[in-house]
Amino acid sequence: GAGVSQSPRYKVTKRGQDVALRCDPISGHVSLYWYRQALGQGPEFLTYFNYEAQQDKSGLPNDRFSAERPEGSISTLTIQRTEQRDSAMYRCASSSIGTSFGTDTQYFGPGTRLTVL
Amino acid sequence: AQTVTQSQPEMSVQEAETVTLSCTYDTSESDYYLFWYKQPPSRQMILVIRQEAYKQQNATENRFSVNFQKAAKSFSLKISDSQLGDAAMYFCAYTSGTYKYIFGTGTRLKVLA
Repeated sequence: GAGVSQSPRYKVTKRGQDVALRCDPISGHVSLYWYRQALGQGPEFLTYFNYEAQQDKSGLPNDRFSAERPEGSISTLTIQRTEQRDSAMYRCASSSIGTSFGTDTQYFGPGTRLTVL
Repeated sequence: AQTVTQSQPEMSVQEAETVTLSCTYDTSESDYYLFWYKQPPSRQMILVIRQEAYKQQNATENRFSVNFQKAAKSFSLKISDSQLGDAAMYFCAYTSGTYKYIFGTGTRLKVLA
C-alpha cells in the first residue's frame, strides 16, 4: 500500500479484556516496529521484527504484551487482560532494509488509540 | 544511555516568519542518525527531515532545515516562511544505527495568522 496502515484506529475496551492491534506495513518493507505513545510524550520502543523474526522485544512492558509477524508482512500486537495503564496510542512503523545494512528511515502508521475503561 | 531533550514545550510563530525548534541529545556513539517528525492534529507521524552524523552538511528539505552541531550535540529545526499547516507537535528522534528510535517529549508549534 501507499503507507503503513493500522486497525482499528480507535479501540475502547473494558479492563480484563484482550485486544489485538493490527499493522500492515508498506509493501516490501523488511523491518517492522511497534511503539507506544502516552499522551504528551514521544513514542517509546516496544518490539522489532526483521522479516518474521522478532529480533528484540525488550520494550514490551510485561508478559501480557506479545507480538507476531508470522509471514513477514502483517503484524499483530496483542495485549492480554488489559489494564487502565495500558491506555495509549500504539504506533507501528516499517522500514525497507534490515539493520545489518545500517539504519533506514522508519515510516509510521496513524496509530491505534487504545482506551481501557 | 542515550537521551533526547526538547526543552521548549511550546513555541509560537507568526505566519510567514521563521522559527527554530531546539533539540539536544546525549550519546557516546560517533555514528548515528537524527530525525525530526511532525505530528499534526490528526496524530499522524510524518518524517520532516533526516541527518546522518557523519555528514557535515546540514540537511534541508524545502522550507525546513537543520543546524547540526555535533560537538555540542545539538540538532535544531528551522522552519522558514511558516504556514498555518505547519502547526503541529514536532518530535526530535535519535538512533545509533540500530532499530530503536529514542524520541524527545516534543514541541508544540502554533502558527498565528
